Amino acid sequence: TQLLEQSPQFLSIQEGENLTVYCNSSSVFSSLQWYRQEPGEGPVLLVTVVTGGEVKKLKRLTFQFGDARKDSSLHITAAQPGDTGLYLCAGFDGAGSYQLTFGKGTKLSVIP
Amino acid sequence: NAGVTQTPKFQVLKTGQSMTLQCAQDMNHNSMYWYRQDPGMGLRLIYYSASEGTTDKGEVPNGYNVSRLNKREFSLRLESAAPSQTSVYFCASSDWTQYFGPGTRLLVL
Repeated sequence: TQLLEQSPQFLSIQEGENLTVYCNSSSVFSSLQWYRQEPGEGPVLLVTVVTGGEVKKLKRLTFQFGDARKDSSLHITAAQPGDTGLYLCAGFDGAGSYQLTFGKGTKLSVIP
Repeated sequence: NAGVTQTPKFQVLKTGQSMTLQCAQDMNHNSMYWYRQDPGMGLRLIYYSASEGTTDKGEVPNGYNVSRLNKREFSLRLESAAPSQTSVYFCASSDWTQYFGPGTRLLVL
């Protein structure tokens, strides 16, 4: 079973600060996805990264896939209260499996 | 276009009772999934269905059964509920992206 470890587990920051969330594994993934989940709702996809070394930007969010496709990071610039939520990384191993492996998540609170 | 819908939204059961959680998607996806989410444990896959007529066990299948009724519908059944099954249950359907329903919050007393 492939595992994805996310860190930190909890993060509380002031509005305007920058932050980085990490997603690490000892296994190679064919692609990796980041989801955000707000209280009382299901997760919603933010981005998919496929190529080792790939960097994708979504407004103030920057996602990077490691060169070896074993890790990923999410960087938020100038965090806003609306960024508050649970951030989940999830990976496909690509071996014909239809299963996503999810990390346990990083719970982010942005204080106004 | 409702996406993924789940019923019920909330349920309280007594130990030993049975119930079925319903899920439907209108995106014509082949793959559908059932997850449970517990504090500090993330999302754990219970069962999935890669296509109509097929189902497979995920990480935590014990105590659950599923039915892929047709391409749209995928139900999850608890035959004899236990307090350890208190959780939030999410259904998802997928092409490449997984689209999640709003969840069912289940409390087993």
